[in-house]
Amino acid sequence: LAKTTQPISMDSYEGQEVNITCSHNNIATNDYITWYQQFPSQGPRFIIQGYKTKVTNEVASLFIPADRKSSTLSLPRVSLSDTAVYYCLDEGGSSNTGKLIFGQGTTLQVKP
Amino acid sequence: DGGITQSPKYLFRKEGQNVTLSCEQNLNHDAMYWYRQDPGQGLRLIYYSQIVNDFQKGDIAEGYSVSREKKESFPLTVTSAQKNPTAFYLCASSMAKDSYYGYTFGSGTRLTVV
Repeated sequence: LAKTTQPISMDSYEGQEVNITCSHNNIATNDYITWYQQFPSQGPRFIIQGYKTKVTNEVASLFIPADRKSSTLSLPRVSLSDTAVYYCLDEGGSSNTGKLIFGQGTTLQVKP
Repeated sequence: DGGITQSPKYLFRKEGQNVTLSCEQNLNHDAMYWYRQDPGQGLRLIYYSQIVNDFQKGDIAEGYSVSREKKESFPLTVTSAQKNPTAFYLCASSMAKDSYYGYTFGSGTRLTVV
């Protein structure tokens, strides 16, 4: 079973900011929070990873509150090409079993 | 360029046949993984290997077999014992057990039973 919970689907329009929130109720002290993006018939692609507070790269921002029980992936000014499934995971550190467990992810549909 | 190569991209199998899916990486990653994805579903772990000559079963290993004779290669065999093998298969690798740097996935093999 996946360790995280996230909405099944979200809709947005081009140019809007999209925030996808994930619950990490069973996160371990040494776990990192990682987000992946998957397009149809392709493998997931690493987007961003963080431990706490805020992380930003050229693709997205990741917000993690102090209790680390949730995380929010923020995609600025989405385009049609951002339509994909987004997965959040918490793995790594000494608690890592050496495998990733994926949930169903959040299907983001960006409309014109 | 470094990456993971899965082949073939599409594979058709007759009932009762075994087929082997190839996964090769030139990232010098220690760990490799096989996942299965069904339409509209997340990824489910089949097998994983953290070092050469060692591998562990994932959540849905029945009907599958793997080998890890070389660091770069982690082939998956779908045997005739797998009752519903039609799916999208993804291979991944990571630097080590502590995956602080994320996992790299291949582009997948779509297997169809005919």
